[in-house]
Amino acid sequence: EPEVTQTPSHQVTQMGQEVILRCVPISNHLYFYWYRQILGQKVEFLVSFYNNEISEKSEIFDDQFSVERPDGSNFTLKIRSTKLEDSAMYFCASSGTGGAADTQYFGPGTRLTVL
Amino acid sequence: AQTVTQSQPEMSVQEAETVTLSCTYDTSESDYYLFWYKQPPSRQMILVIRQEAYKQQNATENRFSVNFQKAAKSFSLKISDSQLGDAAMYFCAYRRIRAGNMLTFGGGTRLMVKP
Repeated sequence: EPEVTQTPSHQVTQMGQEVILRCVPISNHLYFYWYRQILGQKVEFLVSFYNNEISEKSEIFDDQFSVERPDGSNFTLKIRSTKLEDSAMYFCASSGTGGAADTQYFGPGTRLTVL
Repeated sequence: AQTVTQSQPEMSVQEAETVTLSCTYDTSESDYYLFWYKQPPSRQMILVIRQEAYKQQNATENRFSVNFQKAAKSFSLKISDSQLGDAAMYFCAYRRIRAGNMLTFGGGTRLMVKP
């Protein structure tokens, strides 16, 4: 069964450093998402991406964040200058074009620790 | 803005028994999707069940079923014949009907299964 994959599984970085989180969505999906979950809290939407542009973003997704689909398979989230409060689990998800295919399938997540 | 509320932070159930997790939501939309996701200790988000708001029939997936009350904006999850592997965080989520829309999650319910 196709699945969303994410790398790395755990990333440790120093405050102020740039990090890139990588995702490979399900191959025939057209919509891509990033969510984050701070430990013990609810899952929060960051951004959605369709047709090579951002379609929606939340208030959390400020100028420190960017997303990119650099090739036909990868989808990345970049945090330019990490803060302590960016420590969280980051989930990538993808979905198809409509109807039953609208279900978002999640990757296993990347645990980001900012020291 | 849509909100999703899960009023039970923790629930426990005896193995082989039935448990119901509650979820309420607030929306002005008439059509939308509702989901239950399971998050085991590995923290991956796994889709459990999906309900389209325009369908009157409650969704069922093996031991998992929902009680969807549209007028009351209630969407509870029933787990029958509970198994040890059902122990996890369960998140209720809402999504508008348009493809690519963000998921709005509730705060989660931690389900413990006693042997």
